[in-house]
Amino acid sequence: ELKVEQNPLFLSMQEGKNYTIYCNYSTTSDRLYWYRQDPGKSLESLFVLLSNGAVKQEGRLMASLDTKARLSTLHITAAVHDLSATYFCAVDRETSGSRLTFGEGTQLTVNP
Amino acid sequence: GAVVSQHPSRVICKSGTSVKIECRSLDFQATTMFWYRQFPKQSLMLMATSNEGSKATYEQGVEKDKFLINHASLTLSTLTVTSAHPEDSSFYICSAQLHRDTQYFGPGTRLTVL
Repeated sequence: ELKVEQNPLFLSMQEGKNYTIYCNYSTTSDRLYWYRQDPGKSLESLFVLLSNGAVKQEGRLMASLDTKARLSTLHITAAVHDLSATYFCAVDRETSGSRLTFGEGTQLTVNP
Repeated sequence: GAVVSQHPSRVICKSGTSVKIECRSLDFQATTMFWYRQFPKQSLMLMATSNEGSKATYEQGVEKDKFLINHASLTLSTLTVTSAHPEDSSFYICSAQLHRDTQYFGPGTRLTVL
């Protein structure tokens, strides 16, 4: 059974600081996704990582994937209040179809 | 990005009644849609994969007779929660698969069973 673990689950940081959220998964997968969820809302897609060593950046967020270590990171640079949300990673369980297993989520609060 | 809608956005019902939630892909055809549920402050759990023209595939532990899924067209999947009980209260989110690497999520339906 695929397990996806995020660390930390709660993160409170000050504006302007940097931090990294980690996503570990237990079995081989070649697709990893990062999503953002605001309170009471659905998911917004941030990144799709499709291969070992993949790195993607959008604004203050950068995601990377190490399939050998079964680890993905979401790095936040110079955080701003608007980044406050819950961030989920999700791993595709299989080679066909897209049945996703989600991590527990990281609730990020950026304080002014 | 593509748009996926859900209806209703919120529903409150009495225990024992059935509730139908619709998921529509508005600007693309989706042979595959997914249904998730999310309890407060928790992650999303995949309930089932909805395939157009065939039976849904349910995840382990999800009662198929309780959560009826119908994917009657390439743009519509419905989830019916039958004989709902308070423990079924949750946030239900659908997604529509555009291609292998891309799912678009609906805005979610908050179900409260009294």
